[in-house]
Amino acid sequence: EAGVAQSPRYKIIEKRQSVAFWCNPISGHATLYWYQQILGQGPKLLIQFQNNGVVDDSQLPKDRFSAERLKGVDSTLKIQPAKLEDSAVYLCASSEGTSDEQYFGPGTRLTVT
Amino acid sequence: AQSVAQPEDQVNVAEGNPLTVKCTYSVSGNPYLFWYVQYPNRGLQFLLKYITGDNLVKGSYGFEAEFNKSQTSFHLKKPSALVSDSALYFCAVRDRNYGQNFVFGPGTRLSVLP
Repeated sequence: EAGVAQSPRYKIIEKRQSVAFWCNPISGHATLYWYQQILGQGPKLLIQFQNNGVVDDSQLPKDRFSAERLKGVDSTLKIQPAKLEDSAVYLCASSEGTSDEQYFGPGTRLTVT
Repeated sequence: AQSVAQPEDQVNVAEGNPLTVKCTYSVSGNPYLFWYVQYPNRGLQFLLKYITGDNLVKGSYGFEAEFNKSQTSFHLKKPSALVSDSALYFCAVRDRNYGQNFVFGPGTRLSVLP
C-alpha cells in the first residue's frame, strides 16, 4: 500500500513570499491532518479534515495560513505571506478515523530567509 | 484543553537493559493515548495506542505501554533495549469526549549505548 505523499520535500523562500504544500493521503483514509514541527519540538496540529470538512483548525494562524481538501482526497496548505518563524517541517498525516493511528508523510522542510 | 508532558529530554540506556520513556497527560474526559517514534531522516511511525480495555498495551518492535488512570501516565517500556531503538519518541493524546484536537508531547530522545 502506498504511503502518504508530500511535495515538495524542501522549500526555501524569502519572508513575505507565499508557498504551498501538497499532500496525498493513503487511499480510503477519511481523516487528514497538517502539523507544524519546529526543530526540537513535537508536532503541532494546524488543521484536521474529516473527508472534505474541517473538524479542527483552532491552532491555524488564519491571517496567513489556509488549507483545503477538495473532494475529500488530497490537500494543500498555503502560507501567504511567510514569516521567519514559519521555518519548520510541515507534516501531513492520514488515518481511517479520528481514534485510529496516523500515518505520516516524509514532510516538507520550509526555510524562510 | 489537553496537554502532554514528557519530563525527560534525553534517556540513555545500555543495550540489553530495560528502558522506560515517561509520559503524563491531562484531559478533561477520557483519553486516547499514542506513542510514535521518529528515526533520523525518517517520518513519524506509529508504535502503539490505548483506546480502552486492558491497561497494558503491546505494540511494534517489542514495545509496550501501561495506562495508569490514577497517575495520568502512559509510560513506554521495553524489556531489552537495542541500539537500533535509538530515536526520538513522542507521546500523544486526544480527549475522546471534548473536541478533536490531537496533542503531541515535546519528545524524548532515546540513546541506546552498545
